[in-house]
Amino acid sequence: GESVGLHLPTLSVQEGDNSIINCAYSNSASDYFIWYKQESGKGPQFIIDIRSNMDKRQGQRVTVLLNKTVKHLSLQIAATQPGDSAVYFCAENSGRDGNNRLAFGKGNQVVVIP
Amino acid sequence: DTGVSQNPRHKITKRGQNVTFRCDPISEHNRLYWYRQTLGQGPEFLTYFQNEAQLEKSRLLSDRFSAERPKGSFSTLEIQRTEQGDSAMYLCASSPMLTGPHEQYFGPGTRLTVT
Repeated sequence: GESVGLHLPTLSVQEGDNSIINCAYSNSASDYFIWYKQESGKGPQFIIDIRSNMDKRQGQRVTVLLNKTVKHLSLQIAATQPGDSAVYFCAENSGRDGNNRLAFGKGNQVVVIP
Repeated sequence: DTGVSQNPRHKITKRGQNVTFRCDPISEHNRLYWYRQTLGQGPEFLTYFQNEAQLEKSRLLSDRFSAERPKGSFSTLEIQRTEQGDSAMYLCASSPMLTGPHEQYFGPGTRLTVT
C-alpha cells in the first residue's frame, strides 16, 4: 500500500492482544488531536479524537491518552483483530482561524498475526 | 456511494508534462482540503477551500501547482511541468462547515508517478 515503507515503525501483535501505538507531537498550541487509520489503497479514516483539555478518551475498543507535559499521544486498541492491520497516524489541528487543517505525524504500521 | 471520490486513481506521466486531478467532495460539504502523501509519511497539507474561495496554501504548493474549486463543489489540482519529486499520493478531504477537524472525510487518493 501507499503508506507502507521500509522505514515505517511496525508493531506486530497477536490477534486478541492489546496494541499500543505512540506519537510525539511538536506544537504545544494544538488543541485537537486525532488518530487515523489507513489501509492499503485507501485514504485515512477517522478513529478517535481528543481535545487538549482532556487526558483520556475512550471509544469502541480504542482509547486515546494525551500527555501534554511531554507532548505525547497514544492509541490503545483492545482485543486486536485482523481488520486492525493498517498504518496508524496521529494528527494535530494546526489550523488558525478555524480552517481545521491537519498536521500528521509519521505512521506506525500494525500487523495482526492470526 | 456518498463518500469523497477522486479521479483518476492512478496517473503515470513523463517529467515535464502537466497533470490534473479531480476531487468530488461529499455533497454539501463546504470545506475541501488537498494533502500530499509520500511513501511512509503522513499526509501533508497543501491547500484549503471554503466554498469556492481558496483560503490557505502551504509553502509546499509551488508555483507549478494550482488548485481550483470554481463552483464550490468539485475541485481540481493541476501540476505543471511535473518533476520526479512530485511523485506521491494526492489526497482530497472534505468537511461540513462549523465542525471540528475530525470531520474531514478523505477520498482514496490519486497516485502520481512521474517517470
